[in-house]
Amino acid sequence: KAGVTQTPRYLIKTRGQQVTLSCSPISGHRSVSWYQQTPGQGLQFLFEYFSETQRNKGNFPGRFSGRQFSNSRSEMNVSTLELGDSALYLCASSFVSGPGDEQFFGPGTRLTVL
Amino acid sequence: GENVEQHPSTLSVQEGDSAVIKCTYSDSASNYFPWYKQELGKRPQLIIDIRSNVGEKKDQRIAVTLNKTAKHFSLHITETQPEDSAVYFCAAIDGNGGSQGNLIFGKGTKLSVKP
Repeated sequence: KAGVTQTPRYLIKTRGQQVTLSCSPISGHRSVSWYQQTPGQGLQFLFEYFSETQRNKGNFPGRFSGRQFSNSRSEMNVSTLELGDSALYLCASSFVSGPGDEQFFGPGTRLTVL
Repeated sequence: GENVEQHPSTLSVQEGDSAVIKCTYSDSASNYFPWYKQELGKRPQLIIDIRSNVGEKKDQRIAVTLNKTAKHFSLHITETQPEDSAVYFCAAIDGNGGSQGNLIFGKGTKLSVKP
């Protein structure tokens, strides 16, 4: 079974631009969560989608948004990029995503904002 | 919401020694506590997890203990090897009034095992 994939793997953008990241979950997994990883803040939860609906959202500004498609693939969008948005963005998929459902992480997208 | 504190932030041990990483959580409704290992440049991978109805779980050289009353859980690695060197993250499910799925992570422990 193929693992979680993310595209692109690396991105360089400038302040004020917007970016869209993509995540393809493991086949059969219906839940996709997104995390931001930075050296200072560690892994921070962004949002979680299940069956095309956002179920949970972390404490990030409205510039961060996402969606999920009927095939469970998910995208996240960051508008009006700021220098502080430079980070590794990880998505994770799980079958249902309840307590005890293992989340499998993708390799991440490394975003650099100049 | 849930808050997870993790200590220490860095840990250096000699090969063959034991390593212990401790985490505390704030939400008494949390009921699932996974531990992830992240090697340099790689994705986090689950190494062990524990549910709130269990006090201890072992898997070869790795064990996790949970104290629900004190709201803390710990990772124990025995007979450490150089390949155990990585960043380890603890996490807890955000109880959040019954919502599901979002893991709240500790800030990580960088473990270095010296040969």
